[in-house]
Amino acid sequence: DTEVTQTPKHLVMGMTNKKSLKCEQHMGHRAMYWYKQKAKKPPELMFVYSYEKLSINESVPSRFSPECPNSSLLNLHLHALQPEDSALYLCASSQVSGQPQHFGDGTRLSIL
Amino acid sequence: AQSVTQLDSQVPVFEEAPVELRCNYSSSVSVYLFWYVQYPNQGLQLLLKYLSGSTLVKGINGFEAEFNKSQTSFHLRKPSVHISDTAEYFCAVRSPGAGSYQLTFGKGTKLSVIP
Repeated sequence: DTEVTQTPKHLVMGMTNKKSLKCEQHMGHRAMYWYKQKAKKPPELMFVYSYEKLSINESVPSRFSPECPNSSLLNLHLHALQPEDSALYLCASSQVSGQPQHFGDGTRLSIL
Repeated sequence: AQSVTQLDSQVPVFEEAPVELRCNYSSSVSVYLFWYVQYPNQGLQLLLKYLSGSTLVKGINGFEAEFNKSQTSFHLRKPSVHISDTAEYFCAVRSPGAGSYQLTFGKGTKLSVIP
């Protein structure tokens, strides 16, 4: 069982919809991450939160909006997505000092 | 800047045979090294890590890896593979220290175990 929980597991949405992906961890980690993974590719970093503050935004389009309400929760708000945004979205968490990142099982997103 | 090269995109191997998945890295500073496994329709699971100390690192599911600083390599090995080892394997590096969050992945190696 993974210690990082992501919901929903699957999401199908139209290009005009607004939806949110959720991620939760209870390991006391103070760094949390969003990654995007296309088929047969490694994960690509999107955002990093450290102590609930946004530390890294890898030039992600504004149709993706991250939010970190507290140290255990991480959200990714989606609006007006494009078909090329269809992918597996992975959440991860870690201690802040270079320790391994622990990944959730991801949300598989399909944009119609 | 860091980079990771996984030399083989696909490795087919017969069940109960040994396997080695190769990983080389490039970095101007010291690094932490990781191997992750991804089973179909799942997230990434940490197999093993090298942070410091002994260069031979043992991980889960019978895997081990050896850090070779002179050759900048961190190859993953298993003496006898099972069907359940069929998965994608990613090598990754990260700088040590607080505030260093970037995890640089290799392109992955697909291990296919043949019955």
